[in-house]
Amino acid sequence: SAVISQKPSRDICQRGTSLTIQCQVDSQVTMMFWYRQQPGQSLTLIATANQGSEATYESGFVIDKFPISRPNLTFSTLTVSNMSPEDSSIYLCSVLGGAPGDNGYTFGSGTRLTVV
Amino acid sequence: GNSVTQMEGPVTLSEEAFLTINCTYTATGYPSLFWYVQYPGEGLQLLLKATKADDKGSNKGFEATYRKETTSFHLEKGSVQVSDSAVYFCALHYNQGGKLIFGQGTELSVKP
Repeated sequence: SAVISQKPSRDICQRGTSLTIQCQVDSQVTMMFWYRQQPGQSLTLIATANQGSEATYESGFVIDKFPISRPNLTFSTLTVSNMSPEDSSIYLCSVLGGAPGDNGYTFGSGTRLTVV
Repeated sequence: GNSVTQMEGPVTLSEEAFLTINCTYTATGYPSLFWYVQYPGEGLQLLLKATKADDKGSNKGFEATYRKETTSFHLEKGSVQVSDSAVYFCALHYNQGGKLIFGQGTELSVKP
């Protein structure tokens, strides 16, 4: 399966600021996804990052709050903008495939964000 | 819409006890079903999967059978270890590229 490097692993940020999370994959993948895991909750899909076009956002998530870049088939960023304490969560990058014959999903180790 | 429901946790067991974590789903058609595990401080790892009715997924002593008639995918292990302490997520998706829909997660704590 693909290997994902997600940075930073954790951060503590002031409200009103923005944080950009990076996701680097060791192979070219078509599908990349960003999830949020709020404290004690399950994972919720934020958006699908599309290479060469705008991301596709799920209901309840908007581009102004969570801008996403996908400049190539191995890299994506998620920015959490104008943060508030309610944005404190774990953010996870996920990819589909990435190795010959691999049709599974792989997850990064996550970014644990605390907004104070 | 499509959804996944898991039994609530936390589940606390003694070492070598039998484990069942219930998972049921609501979906049209024939989704693929997954169990993921999240160890403390780590990301999600795929534990096992099943892609069609009556398939049994298995890994590391864990098993789950895709039951179309009861729309269930219960996770079982005959003898748990302390190292199995983690949060377990049931999930489904349709076809390649479809998003994963997760259950709420069940925390398992195994005591020596």
